Amino acid sequence: QVQVVESGGGVVQPGGSLTLSCAASGFIFDSYVIHWVRQAPGKGLEWVAFMWSDGSQKFYGDSVKGRFTISRDSSKNTLYLQMNSLRADDTAIYYCARDGQAGYDMDVWGQGTTVTVSS
Amino acid sequence: QSALTQPASVSGSPGQSITISCTGTSSDVGGYNFVSWYQQHPGKAPKLMINEVSNRPSGVSNRFSGSKSGNTASLTISGLQAEDEADYYCSSYRNAGSVVFGGGTKLTVL
Repeated sequence: QVQVVESGGGVVQPGGSLTLSCAASGFIFDSYVIHWVRQAPGKGLEWVAFMWSDGSQKFYGDSVKGRFTISRDSSKNTLYLQMNSLRADDTAIYYCARDGQAGYDMDVWGQGTTVTVSS
Repeated sequence: QSALTQPASVSGSPGQSITISCTGTSSDVGGYNFVSWYQQHPGKAPKLMINEVSNRPSGVSNRFSGSKSGNTASLTISGLQAEDEADYYCSSYRNAGSVVFGGGTKLTVL
């Protein structure tokens, strides 16, 4: 079935790095944009990043610009989020979500992976 | 990037209708018909309920409807049911290739 599955979360010290993965299945990976969205504990949703399906353009939220890098590997049907210079306020559940191609909607969500930034 | 503005909470009794507002600017809600609404139950991933302001994806109950006027979008839930109790988030495309979410609204079914 159509699904996206996140992995790679964990505990990291402030200033550290972590790479998240989002494995897609059940649909043509190269035909879809996939977003990263995060949710801090007890807080609302925050859009993080997306890239065009051909990889030609990448877009980031202001709070992660310059620190996070989104990429994709079509041979593995996988989207990545490289996170550097992590801060305590990056602590969140990170979701990947497929763009439904109807006005930047997100129609398929993963279960999320938890990132905790703490010393 | 400032979030879209939603009421923190709304409530209603079973069978009633409620409306959740989502206010942005001409750079997002008012400038594009790219507003989506999501439902999130505790501990679960969000679920798409409305896209492109008023379109219901396949499988979403017709008790959910969306609309927009100027810089404010709205989600209406009619015939409230206990299972509708959840957090609701709006989102919109914003100028220069970004997406912005609302702060979320907690719906309580009394």
